[in-house]
Amino acid sequence: SQQGEEDPQALSIQEGENATMNCSYKTSINNLQWYRQNSGRGLVHLILIRSNEREKHSGRLRVTLDTSKKSSSLLITASRAADTASYFCATDSPLQGGSEKLVFGKGTKLTVNP
Amino acid sequence: DVKVTQSSRYLVKRTGEKVFLECVQDMDHENMFWYRQDPGLGLRLIYFSYDVKMKEKGDIPEGYSVSREKKERFSLILESASTNQTSMYLCASSRGLTRPQETQYFGPGTRLLVL
Repeated sequence: SQQGEEDPQALSIQEGENATMNCSYKTSINNLQWYRQNSGRGLVHLILIRSNEREKHSGRLRVTLDTSKKSSSLLITASRAADTASYFCATDSPLQGGSEKLVFGKGTKLTVNP
Repeated sequence: DVKVTQSSRYLVKRTGEKVFLECVQDMDHENMFWYRQDPGLGLRLIYFSYDVKMKEKGDIPEGYSVSREKKERFSLILESASTNQTSMYLCASSRGLTRPQETQYFGPGTRLLVL
């Protein structure tokens, strides 16, 4: 089944630096989403970008989508220690019966050092 | 804000026990989901429901069942818990009867240990 794969698996940066995470997927999509998960907690939705969009911003987050390369990137600018978390991309995928589901990648673990 | 709550944060059960994990959402969402999350495997969909009394199998339904008697509540049942069901269980919900792939809102998770 199609799946978003994040790269890198782990990233460690200093506070104030920018963090870039990438996601690649295999087949065509309707939209792509990014989620954040703090250690031992549930996932929190960050941003959704539709297949006809190329770039989207939300505060310090910038997401790009290149459907020709089947890839997306999440940029966090001016990172803070509180951004330390795992970040997941999720793409839609067909289920049997005509409905669809989200398929999550395995995540990028970001550590922002004070 | 959407709130999704799960009945327990931590649970310890013995092999063979019947286990109920409860999830409640307060935003009148149509769709509800159960995932499990394991290191190195990411999130995997167990079951989801797009309406009361409706359910659909996800990627790994074996050993699990679900119940949705009311719109706001979605229960995951482990009929006979086994050690390989030790995991983090995450419940989520989303609005929209026909678009379960839209934004999902997650509960805090239940960490289940089966001894």
